[in-house]
Parts: sequence; structure tokens; C-alpha cells
Amino acid sequence: DQQVKQNSPSLSVQEGRISILNCDYTNSMFDYFLWYKKYPAEGPTFLISISSIKDKNEDGRFTVFLNKSAKHLSLHIVPSQPGDSAVYFCAASGRGGADGLTFGKGTHLIIQP
Amino acid sequence: ETGVTQSPTHLIKTRGQQVTLRCSSQSGHNTVSWYQQALGQGPQFIFQYYREEENGRGNFPPRFSGLQFPNYSSELNVNALELDDSALYLCASSGRTSGYTDTQYFGPGTRLTVL
Repeated sequence: DQQVKQNSPSLSVQEGRISILNCDYTNSMFDYFLWYKKYPAEGPTFLISISSIKDKNEDGRFTVFLNKSAKHLSLHIVPSQPGDSAVYFCAASGRGGADGLTFGKGTHLIIQP
Repeated sequence: ETGVTQSPTHLIKTRGQQVTLRCSSQSGHNTVSWYQQALGQGPQFIFQYYREEENGRGNFPPRFSGLQFPNYSSELNVNALELDDSALYLCASSGRTSGYTDTQYFGPGTRLTVL
């Protein structure tokens, strides 16, 4: 029973355009959401996070949107660059964080030149 | 500032053996979490250590155990290895204050192969 779902295994976007990665969750107790980026043979790298009290958080080219009523979040990357090609994981945690992060299966983003 | 480090990078064991993986947390972090990532899957939470005690645990059997040391470094021990234990094992460190765990930062992982 997957509590965090990333329904697109892969996404191809042209360089310079916007990349939108989506994530859905089912557990209402989640109150903190994160996006990680992972290159092969490396650990996940933290990108951006959002608390459940917000609906948007921006950091440079990266913006995360949270729609609590739909239990949906998305990561926008503008403009997309070749170095953005990687696997992106959506993760969520409950209050306190002692139960660890629950991850989706990831979306492989490919930026086309 | 030193990031999260893990050792060894790769490891090959046979079924039934025991293995110990090591993790050094990022400077200033007091909490360590361990995750197992199978091929094509997202990382799965094994357990978390805070102040040298297990603070939370995922759906893993007791043969997965751990330790945290006074310098906040940590070990993951797996007994009676099974073929399905073959995976990338990730360690993440974070700060923890007032009952909340901050953002987790990951190490590069240890690739375990069980034959």
C-alpha cells in the first residue's frame, strides 16, 4: 500500500522549458514534504521542502506547490537545464519525523537539448 | 562542513552471513536514519537513532539492528542475510530539537550484494 505515489516513471522536457513533477499522497498525518534529486551512484540530494501550513515554497529555479485538499504536490523547475537530468523523489513525514520519510518510487527527468 | 559519509562503498556477502555498515553524520547533526533502496524503488525507512537510542522504526524484522555512538555516528547491522537484502543502504543525518526532526541529508550509500 503506497502512501506516496509518483505516477510518472519518466518525463522528458526540452532545455529551457518548465519541468513539472507530480506526487500524490494518501496519509492525512503527513505534515512535511520534501523533494530529493538523485544521480546514479550517489545518495539523494535535498532540493526543497514545504510544511503543511503553506501552499507554496520557492527557491531559485525550484518551486513546490502543495494542495492539501487534493493530497497532491508538484515540483516546478524553470528553466530546465541539462544538469537537472536525474531521478526525483517525493518524500513525506509525519509530525515529529521519528517515523522517517516515506518516499515515492521516483520520476526520471530527462532534459533534451 | 563535512557531509554524511558511509563505509564501505560496496560489499558482497553470502546468504546467512552478517554485515555491519557504518555512517558518520554531518557536523552539527544529532539524529541518524537508515534506509534500504531496492532497484527501481524509493528508499524505505528502516529506523532512526537519536541520543544513542532507537527513536522510530519501519517495517523491518529484528535481524536489522543498529547503534548510535556518542559522536552521533551510527552502525547498521543485518544478521542472517537473505538474497532480498541486496540493495543500496542509505544513511541520513539531521538535527532534532523540540521533538521535531529537521531535513534529512543523505550519504552516498553502501551497495550490498547477497549471493
